[in-house]
Formats: sequence, C-alpha cells, structure tokens
Amino acid sequence: QLQLQESGPGLVKPSETLSLTCTVSGGSISSSSYYWGWIRQPPGKGLEWIGSMYYSGSTYYNPSLKSRVTISLDMSKNQVSLKLSSVTAADTAVYFCASGNWFDYWGQGTLVTVSS
Amino acid sequence: QSVLTQPPSASGTPGQRVTISCSGSSSNIGSNIVNWYQEVPGTAPKLLMYRNNQRPSGVPDRFSGSKSGTSASLAISGLQSEDEADYYCATWDDSLNGWVFGGGTKLTVL
Repeated sequence: QLQLQESGPGLVKPSETLSLTCTVSGGSISSSSYYWGWIRQPPGKGLEWIGSMYYSGSTYYNPSLKSRVTISLDMSKNQVSLKLSSVTAADTAVYFCASGNWFDYWGQGTLVTVSS
Repeated sequence: QSVLTQPPSASGTPGQRVTISCSGSSSNIGSNIVNWYQEVPGTAPKLLMYRNNQRPSGVPDRFSGSKSGTSASLAISGLQSEDEADYYCATWDDSLNGWVFGGGTKLTVL
C-alpha cells in the first residue's frame, strides 16, 4: 500500500518560494504504475489541482499557476517535490501530494501559510 | 469559480437515497471519465469512484456513479451518518490540458 507524507515549512513570506516534499513509501516513484500530483485546498474552500508528473518525466501544470510551478522527482530519495514561486496570501492552503491514475493515494496534507 | 458545477449542499435522513450532480462541458466531462472524492473534515480526500462508475476496493456498493453527456452524478443509497462529508467530482479538461475539480458538495445527514 502506497503511503505519502508531505513536509516543508508551514510559513512562507510573500514573494518567496514555497518548497514542499512528498516522501513515498510502499512503492518506488520510478515505477510506471504511478503518476504524481499536487493538489491544494485553501481554508474553507474546494480542491485545486496544481500539477502532475508522469513516470516518463512529462509534466502538466494548472494554467493559472504554470508560470510559477515546478514539480520534480528525486529517485534517490523516493520523493516528489513542489516549488511554487512568488507566493502571495492567495497561495495559503493545505497542500496534498497524491498518486495513482485517479489520485488513488493521498498524503495527509500540510498547511502552508503565506504571511510576513 | 469552478469549471465543474456542483450544488454547494445536499442533505438526507438515514436510509434515504441522495444524488449529487456535477455539470461540465464538452471539453471535460463530455469527453473524459469522471472521478469522485469523499473528504471527511480534517482528513485527506479519498477516491470514492473512478472511471465514472467504478468503486475502489473497500467502497460500499451503496455508492454508485453515472455519466451522461456533459454531466455526471454520484448516488448514495441507504444513507448513513458516516457519509456526512464533502464530495468532489473531477475530470480531465482537454482545453486546459489539466485536471479540474467541482466546487464540492457538503452532504449533511439529518
């Protein structure tokens, strides 16, 4: 059973870069069985897809965030990373790492607050 | 404003049947599969239905999904108190070249 755990700073200053890591256990991120995604949920609001990365290396990003987002895989650490640059208060949200063809597996999520 | 439209709320009494709708367009629901997620407050979303009407292992058969044209729906029969949660539909959008979610429906079991 795949397990995902997000980690990273809970507080980021405006204009800085948000960096999160998703540590995967129970499977290899290099496996063709999975693809990886990040989804966020602002407080009291719905889910928003940020982007996805396939085992082949192909990436897809939400058009509204594309200019600021980078998703990458660290095979040596079995981790998936998310970087979101030039953050504002609107980027305050719980950030989830998810995997599987249909986002079958989810991490517990991590709250990131953007504030000075 | 979500690309997929869901009613913000739904409710029912124990044992009743409730349906949650999800409306989209030809570039998303009209040409791709729909998945549904259940989010109990304070926990991560859980895949409830995939490929329109397929239940992952462990999901009770009280839950069913369907799709017709540019709309999809999730039905819950024999409503139970543990079904109280937020429900989201999601699909791929060919125009946006990405996944889109509905705004979510808060289900209350009265």
